[in-house]
Amino acid sequence: EIVMTQTPLSLPVTPGEPASISCRSSQSLLDSDDGNTYLDWYLQKPGQSPQLLIYLVSYRASGVPDKFNGSGSGTDFTLKISRVEAEDVGVYYCMQRIEFPITFGPGTKVDIK
Amino acid sequence: EQLVESGGGLVQPGGSLRLSCSASGFTFSNYWMQWVRQAPGKGLVWVSRINNDGSTTSYADSVQGRFTISRDNAKNTLYLHMNSLGAEDTGVYYCVRDLLVLRTSRNYYYYFGMDVWGQGTTVTVSS
Repeated sequence: EIVMTQTPLSLPVTPGEPASISCRSSQSLLDSDDGNTYLDWYLQKPGQSPQLLIYLVSYRASGVPDKFNGSGSGTDFTLKISRVEAEDVGVYYCMQRIEFPITFGPGTKVDIK
Repeated sequence: EQLVESGGGLVQPGGSLRLSCSASGFTFSNYWMQWVRQAPGKGLVWVSRINNDGSTTSYADSVQGRFTISRDNAKNTLYLHMNSLGAEDTGVYYCVRDLLVLRTSRNYYYYFGMDVWGQGTTVTVSS
């Protein structure tokens, strides 16, 4: 199975400051058949279900503010938050969907300093 | 667009349980569906998936042979039948919407992320 790793696992952030989370997969997430790269980002706020932030590396889900940006290719990906606010705290997961079993990263816990 | 899980509860080791997920606000039969679980204080783990017409399924190795995913498109409902439950199956189970399939002369597949999640239903396996 594809192993997903994330760094850092914990990220204390000052409000208004940017934040960046890295995700790496053990093999390429590029599907040569359709040209898509199957890497998503999800946020699980405290006490809530996970919610989709970014799909296919860089496409923001409906309603997701443009302060969230995904980038990367192949096996290396990054989620950037331009200005962290209190409502952004929670655990961020990257996930690969190029093959089954679908696998998630261990999660990065973002909280406010 | 909403998913509502039910059926969780306390079950003894070796027991069985059936989870249900009721879908509303979208054309259920056009989507693949997934189950994802989360043990207490842990991360997200994929459990199983089913295609839009129920003809194909996949399972995590940890549940293969014990869990069965199914769906009733007439009732807009997804199921997860769980047998031989152990403590390692304890957690919150989420129903999740996945791949969109549009059918004309052939199937067209569109991926917009796993974009709708239920609120989860809690399964506790304990004696």
